[in-house]
Amino acid sequence: DQQVKQNSPSLSVQEGRISILNCDYTNSMFDYFLWYKKYPAEGPTFLISISSIKDKNEDGRFTVFLNKSAKHLSLHIVPSQPGDSAVYFCAASLNNLFFGTGTRLTVIP
Amino acid sequence: DAGVTQSPTHLIKTRGQQVTLRCSPISGHKSVSWYQQVLGQGPQFIFQYYEKEERGRGNFPDRFSARQFPNYSSELNVNALLLGDSALYLCASSLVRQSVGNEQFFGPGTRLTVL
Repeated sequence: DQQVKQNSPSLSVQEGRISILNCDYTNSMFDYFLWYKKYPAEGPTFLISISSIKDKNEDGRFTVFLNKSAKHLSLHIVPSQPGDSAVYFCAASLNNLFFGTGTRLTVIP
Repeated sequence: DAGVTQSPTHLIKTRGQQVTLRCSPISGHKSVSWYQQVLGQGPQFIFQYYEKEERGRGNFPDRFSARQFPNYSSELNVNALLLGDSALYLCASSLVRQSVGNEQFFGPGTRLTVL
């Protein structure tokens, strides 16, 4: 029973353009949503989060948008850089973390 | 300061065997959580330990067990290994019990292969 879903396994974007990664969830009780970035041979590292009472949170090039009525969140990266190439996991918090299956982002120089 | 460390890095076992994975949290962190990441999937929560007591358990069989020691390090044990237990096992530590996720710091993981 996958409560957090990332339907795009991969995404390729040109350097300097916007990357948009999407995530859907089913449990309306989640109180926090997070994005993690994972490089090969490393554990996930926290990127940005948003409380369920907010609809937008921005941190530098990264912005997360939350649409509670649609149970959907997205991560925008502007401008995309080659160093952003990694697997991005969406996660939702309810006592512990529920992760999506990840989206592999490739930023082409 | 050292981050979360896990040992061993890689491990190969055969079906039916038992395995013990180890995790050392960041100094001062009292909470340790374990996750299983199967190839092509996201990490799935197994256990949380805080102050040496189990505080949360995911949907895993009783073959999975864990404990936390007085120095807050932790071990994850898996008995009667199955092929499906092959995965990356991640440990995460945090200062507080009720982490909202951004306070969790992950180790590099232990890659377990069951043949």
